[in-house]
Amino acid sequence: GNSVTQMEGPVTLSEEAFLTINCTYTATGYPSLFWYVQYPGEGLQLLLKATKADDKGSNKGFEATYRKETTSFHLEKGSVQVSDSAVYFCALSDPGGGGFKTIFGAGTRLFVKA
Amino acid sequence: EAGVTQFPSHSVIEKGQTVTLRCDPISGHDNLYWYRRVMGKEIKFLLHFVKESKQDESGMPNNRFLAERTGGTYSTLKVQPAELEDSGVYFCASSQIQGGGYTFGSGTRLTVV
Repeated sequence: GNSVTQMEGPVTLSEEAFLTINCTYTATGYPSLFWYVQYPGEGLQLLLKATKADDKGSNKGFEATYRKETTSFHLEKGSVQVSDSAVYFCALSDPGGGGFKTIFGAGTRLFVKA
Repeated sequence: EAGVTQFPSHSVIEKGQTVTLRCDPISGHDNLYWYRRVMGKEIKFLLHFVKESKQDESGMPNNRFLAERTGGTYSTLKVQPAELEDSGVYFCASSQIQGGGYTFGSGTRLTVV
């Protein structure tokens, strides 16, 4: 079945460092891909999305490109801030079942030190 | 607009008891989803409502879980009787269209002792 695999955390970076969180997926069709973020004490928020191959999603300085050839959707940010500390979830939207349920990775916790 | 609201935010119950979680989606969102995250693992799909109808309940773990969405507005998820392995964070999400991403609630942290 469809699945999402993302790098295990925690990831600890210093402020202004470059961030990459790897995400790969397995899907039979052409899913949409998402990154969600969960800040401490809050619910999940949609960070960015891409709906087809070669699309780049971007938001708040974060970017991810839908790479069909490598089945990847890695999250990047050029310069992280302390406020980016959170858990990041890669996800895909699976049209199976007619409901577009979302399949999530296990999450990667990011700590950014001042 | 108001977001997705879930309550309670935390619940601690004993094994064998019953717990009911509630979710109020964003007004006008026909699609309502329940997910849960157990022990820091991946977030797993439980079920999907379109208005008051269950579109997909393939993720419901067993018949101790019962979800309803009477009138197509708020939804409840009842666990009866609760077991230790039911502990986790239960998330509700809603969307206006399917496949475009959701708005999530803050979740209900359920602890069964």
